[in-house]
Amino acid sequence: EIVLTQSPGTLSLSPGERATLSCRASQSVSSRNLAWYQQKPGQAPRLLIYAASSRATGIPDRFSGGGSGTDFTLTISRLEPEDFAVYYCQQYGSSPYTFGQGTKLEIK
Amino acid sequence: EIQLVQSGAEVKKPGESLRISCKGSGYSFTTFWIGWVRQMPGKGLEWMGIIFPADSDTRYSPSFQGQVTISADKSISTAYLQWSSLKASDTAMYYCARHVYGTDWGQGTLVTVSS
Repeated sequence: EIVLTQSPGTLSLSPGERATLSCRASQSVSSRNLAWYQQKPGQAPRLLIYAASSRATGIPDRFSGGGSGTDFTLTISRLEPEDFAVYYCQQYGSSPYTFGQGTKLEIK
Repeated sequence: EIQLVQSGAEVKKPGESLRISCKGSGYSFTTFWIGWVRQMPGKGLEWMGIIFPADSDTRYSPSFQGQVTISADKSISTAYLQWSSLKASDTAMYYCARHVYGTDWGQGTLVTVSS
């Protein structure tokens, strides 16, 4: 089973700043099969990025994903107030398709 | 419009059985995997398993294998998550999601298990 470790656990930033979230896998994720989700309180997760760097439909271009192998990042170029939420990575290259433990992005 | 509509909240006692559902619409139900995800109160997302409705090919996380059963009825575009004997520790929100990466999500079903 691939274990995903996200860092930091909590990230405190201000609107307008740049956010960089990390997701590290315990073994290589095949074919860059990694996704990122955003979850706000009381809501279902929303897909942001799939295939490590492809934006899902309707996702603003301030969200970008990168990386390969065991190291992946989600970057939010300029934080908007609605971006403060919890972010999860998920690998779907090898069953079980595990999630990271999440990074909480909070307003500083 | 693609939608996944889940069944309503449930309150059960330990030892009882339960089946919750997830009905897909707006797309070809048999051509996309449907996964189930658990979220315990105040915690993160846990991948439980996934089913391909066309042939019911099913994969489980080792953490949930033997604890739940995932099934699908393609004739009514509905996937199911089932327990034969609930425990208090099954109290959680359960989500279904379309595709191996969740392009679309159900609204969630809150399951509360309490004596």
